[in-house]
Amino acid sequence: DSGVTQTPKHLITATGQRVTLRCSPRSGDLSVYWYQQSLDQGLQFLIQYYNGEERAKGNILERFSAQQFPDLHSELNLSSLELGDSALYFCASSVTPREGYTFGSGTRLTVV
Amino acid sequence: EDQVTQSPEALRLQEGESSSLNCSYTVSGLRGLFWYRQDPGKGPEFLFTLYSAGEEKEKERLKATLTKKESFLHITAPKPEDSATYLCAVQGSASKIIFGSGTRLSIRP
Repeated sequence: DSGVTQTPKHLITATGQRVTLRCSPRSGDLSVYWYQQSLDQGLQFLIQYYNGEERAKGNILERFSAQQFPDLHSELNLSSLELGDSALYFCASSVTPREGYTFGSGTRLTVV
Repeated sequence: EDQVTQSPEALRLQEGESSSLNCSYTVSGLRGLFWYRQDPGKGPEFLFTLYSAGEEKEKERLKATLTKKESFLHITAPKPEDSATYLCAVQGSASKIIFGSGTRLSIRP
């Protein structure tokens, strides 16, 4: 157990739907990062939050949004889902990025 | 734009056969280069951070080195349990960490 908790582990949904992925960071970590991993694109950085505020944005689609709550857990919202959104979504947390991220076990999203 | 390229894409070795994985990078203002290990269906597991050219770090059968343009992950006398995908990542002045596509390492008994 890495200390980063992601729920749900698996999610199957239809095109056009909206889903919410949840992440609880490791105790004491203020930063949360979201990554998307698909077979053909590797790990793609989506967005970073630090203590409730957005810090950095990567290749995140306008249909996707995220937030970090006062208790530091984070949610990634994916809407108007397309088949191409099927992927593993990872959350990671850190004290400082230089010490490396701790990743959760991911949410596998399948859009049918 | 920050970029990370890993080679080879896949590597099959016999148990005990040493080799190296390569990570070439271009980044504005390197703040750190990272190596992670990822097993199928699991999240990446942090291995090393390297901060400046000439730095080396070791962990069991793995040794990571860094130059101004690339990093190598040397694996000495590997065992089947070392089979995994090894990911390289860099953090530049923009703070976000960019990952390479990884090297899939397979060790045959």
